[in-house]
Amino acid sequence: DTGVSQDPRHKITKRGQNVTFRCDPISEHNRLYWYRQTLGQGPEFLTYFQNEAQLEKSRLLSDRFSAERPKGSFSTLEIQRTEQGDSAMYLCASSVRRQAITDTQYFGPGTRLTVL
Amino acid sequence: GQQLNQSPQSMFIQEGEDVSMNCTSSSIFNTWLWYKQDPGEGPVLLIALYKAGELTSNGRLTAQFGITRKDSFLNISASIPSDVGIYFCAGPTTSGTYKYIFGTGTRLKVLA
Repeated sequence: DTGVSQDPRHKITKRGQNVTFRCDPISEHNRLYWYRQTLGQGPEFLTYFQNEAQLEKSRLLSDRFSAERPKGSFSTLEIQRTEQGDSAMYLCASSVRRQAITDTQYFGPGTRLTVL
Repeated sequence: GQQLNQSPQSMFIQEGEDVSMNCTSSSIFNTWLWYKQDPGEGPVLLIALYKAGELTSNGRLTAQFGITRKDSFLNISASIPSDVGIYFCAGPTTSGTYKYIFGTGTRLKVLA
């Protein structure tokens, strides 16, 4: 399977703990995205990498959130001092630019975070 | 800000029926994408549309990019039970071709 993979698929943690998620994009894709999805809503953009450079962060991404893509391949999303409001599905997507107008993003299966 | 509104919000249909749903925006989009999401999974790309007026099919699915560039339609013909799920439209925001916004979703349930 050469799709986007995410690990873990599920994470349950206690409030105040730190958590880290990993995303492995499709191998030839140089763009990587993180989204957050709460129940009953569509995904919301969090941040975007082109190769190893983080080019944009949403206002949704508080100071407790940090994302990295050190070698331009896999990415990690860390949440420090988790809060119950952080409970959500965290989705990773990747793309490679093929069209003059925009690219097409392919999503991973997501990491479901539950903060108790 | 930009918003995508989908209708209907949910629908129950009988197996074998055709399904139509749409996505509208108050602003112009240069690309429309349709995704399907199953419970506990990530969205799966169904169809991507890049030009106004474009009509594209993927098996039993057909999607159209509206002429005004402010709407898109997705049709599913001869629905089957595995079509159940949430269908999202999405498109890049005006601030960047990489940042998608997603619609509110249409929840489809197919009765056997």
